[in-house]
Amino acid sequence: DAGVIQSPRHEVTEMGQEVTLRCKPISGHNSLFWYRQTMMRGLELLIYFNNNVPIDDSGMPEDRFSAKMPNASFSTLKIQPSEPRDSAVYFCASSSGTQPQHFGDGTRLSIL
Amino acid sequence: AQSVSQHNHHVILSEAASLELGCNYSYGGTVNLFWYVQYPGQHLQLLLKYFSGDPLVKGIKGFEAEFIKSKFSFNLRKPSVQWSDTAEYFCAFLSYNTDKLIFGTGTRLQVFP
Repeated sequence: DAGVIQSPRHEVTEMGQEVTLRCKPISGHNSLFWYRQTMMRGLELLIYFNNNVPIDDSGMPEDRFSAKMPNASFSTLKIQPSEPRDSAVYFCASSSGTQPQHFGDGTRLSIL
Repeated sequence: AQSVSQHNHHVILSEAASLELGCNYSYGGTVNLFWYVQYPGQHLQLLLKYFSGDPLVKGIKGFEAEFIKSKFSFNLRKPSVQWSDTAEYFCAFLSYNTDKLIFGTGTRLQVFP
């Protein structure tokens, strides 16, 4: 099993630019989660999907953030426009039912 | 509100010392409990889980955790730590009415040789 695949692994861009993070969940998993991790705020759940439908987006910081899951094998998290305070590691995770979540390697995002 | 408390934010130990990390959750119903570990620069990995049955669960790398329902606790233990256990440890639970994991703030463990 390939695990949860995230791309890119690292992203450095200037503030104001659009950033798109990608995630491919484990095949057969029906829940997908986007997290953000920073030193100051720790691990935060941004949004999660179940069967491609957004269930809880209460953690999305503001309208600059959006997430989509067009099909069971792909999700994107978009930030437009990006700001320096968005710099963090963004993790995607997937799971099936109540089984443990499996995390991807993360995307380290730096906004200059 | 559903929450997880990890009271130890930073723990420093010497190799071969015993480890116990505290975890308390706030939820009155049935829960599934997890400990995840995050090694420096890496993603979170599952260390162990409790769903039901024997409240003492054993995980990878010699870790174990005990679920005490009356105390709403799920403390992580290891009798003898190694330098390679240096990492951040997260306790989490899953309530039965949601797919959302509730994470604690994490405990940073540093083990010195």
